[in-house]
Amino acid sequence: RKEVEQDPGPFNVPEGATVAFNCTYSNSASQSFFWYRQDCRKEPKLLMSVYSSGNEDGRFTAQLNRASQYISLLIRDSKLSDSATYLCVVNSDNNAGNMLTFGGGTRLMVKP
Amino acid sequence: GAGVSQSPSNKVTEKGKDVELRCDPISGHTALYWYRQSLGQGLEFLIYFQGNSAPDKSGLPSDRFSAERTGGSVSTLTIQRTQQEDSAVYLCASGRGSTYEQYFGPGTRLTVT
Repeated sequence: RKEVEQDPGPFNVPEGATVAFNCTYSNSASQSFFWYRQDCRKEPKLLMSVYSSGNEDGRFTAQLNRASQYISLLIRDSKLSDSATYLCVVNSDNNAGNMLTFGGGTRLMVKP
Repeated sequence: GAGVSQSPSNKVTEKGKDVELRCDPISGHTALYWYRQSLGQGLEFLIYFQGNSAPDKSGLPSDRFSAERTGGSVSTLTIQRTQQEDSAVYLCASGRGSTYEQYFGPGTRLTVT
C-alpha cells in the first residue's frame, strides 16, 4: 500500500463548478498535512496546510479526518487557472527529522 | 525574497558521462531535499540534509548518485556514468527545518542520450 494515495484523475469540470479531491495516508502517526499544486512542467508549490479543525483560504477548503486517515481539498467556483495537478503531502519523519511523502497527484482540468 | 535556484535548467548528456546539478536554497533554510520526477510520474525522494547532521541517503537509487552540501548552504547532486533511465527532472527543495513546509526550485531537466 502506498503511504499517500490519491485518485490520479483527470477531473474534468466546467468553470464555476465545485470539485473535491480526496487523499488517504497510511501512517497514523503523521501530524502535518499539506496540499501542493503543480502546474505542467513546473515545480510543486505549497497551496495550503491542512489543520485538524479544517481551514479555508478563499475558494479552497481543506479538511482532515484523523480517524479515517483521510484528507480532502474542496475548490469552489473553479477557474481556468485552477487547472493543475494537486499533490497531497504528509509528514513521514525518520530518524533524521522532517520528511514529507508526496502523493502521486490528482489532475484537474477546468474547461470553459 | 529570493527563492530556491537550480542550475543548469536543462542538461543534455551522453550515456556514461558524469553530471553535476546545483541547488541554492533559500537563505537561512537549514533543510535541503533532492527529488526526481520522471515524465508524468510523482516525486521520488533522493536525499535530505538537515543542518550538520548526517544526510538521509535512503532514497538514492544506486551508488552512482551522490550529493554534498557545503557550508550548510549550496548543494550539488552528482550522477556518475549516467544511464538513459536517469533522464528526469531533478528538483531541489529547502525548508526551515523547524517546520515541514518545503519550497521547491524550478528543477533541472536532465536528458541522457
